[in-house]
Amino acid sequence: DAKTTQPPSMDCAEGRAANLPCNHSTISGNEYVYWYRQIHSQGPQYIIHGLKNNETNEMASLIITEDRKSSTLILPHATLRDTAVYYCIVRVEGGATNKLIFGTGTLLAVQP
Amino acid sequence: DAGITQSPRHKVTETGTPVTLRCHQTENHRYMYWYRQDPGHGLRLIHYSYGVKDTDKGEVSDGYSVSRSKTEDFLLTLESATSSQTSVYFCAISANQGPSPLHFGNGTRLTVT
Repeated sequence: DAKTTQPPSMDCAEGRAANLPCNHSTISGNEYVYWYRQIHSQGPQYIIHGLKNNETNEMASLIITEDRKSSTLILPHATLRDTAVYYCIVRVEGGATNKLIFGTGTLLAVQP
Repeated sequence: DAGITQSPRHKVTETGTPVTLRCHQTENHRYMYWYRQDPGHGLRLIHYSYGVKDTDKGEVSDGYSVSRSKTEDFLLTLESATSSQTSVYFCAISANQGPSPLHFGNGTRLTVT
């Protein structure tokens, strides 16, 4: 299973872009990268996912390097409500499910 | 939020008693999952289901069983609760086997005394 490595914590000023890095050097060619976040005491919330190309939605942008060994989640204008633990996950292939294996994530603290 | 309801939201029980947690979805999604979350371990998959009556084990399945008799309901049972099963339990659903994302419920906090 491809593993991910994220910094344990990061700070970001409110209104600025938050750039959260993730390393997944053992990723396979057909494995997707997913990003979730978890605000205290709530269930994880899906943000975005991608395979090779950069992706953007209403919440964030996902930049995947050409060799796919790392990616960056970008929150363009961070707010205090974006303070959460952010998980970078590689989808596990095989079997009858698209189960996800979570790591320990990055605690993003948005400062006023 | 996706239409996922977990019940109960909080439960305190004694060691050795049976406990059943319920996950109910209104999305008609095929796949359902049970995770537990503990400090220092993140989220770990307990069991999952890929259809009615079709289930399989995850990475921490010992001491747990599941059942899925209807598309909308996925039950997690602790046959004889132990203190090590004190945790927050999350249910998740996804539409298909492809890259569809999982959507999570808001969890059940279980305390075994």
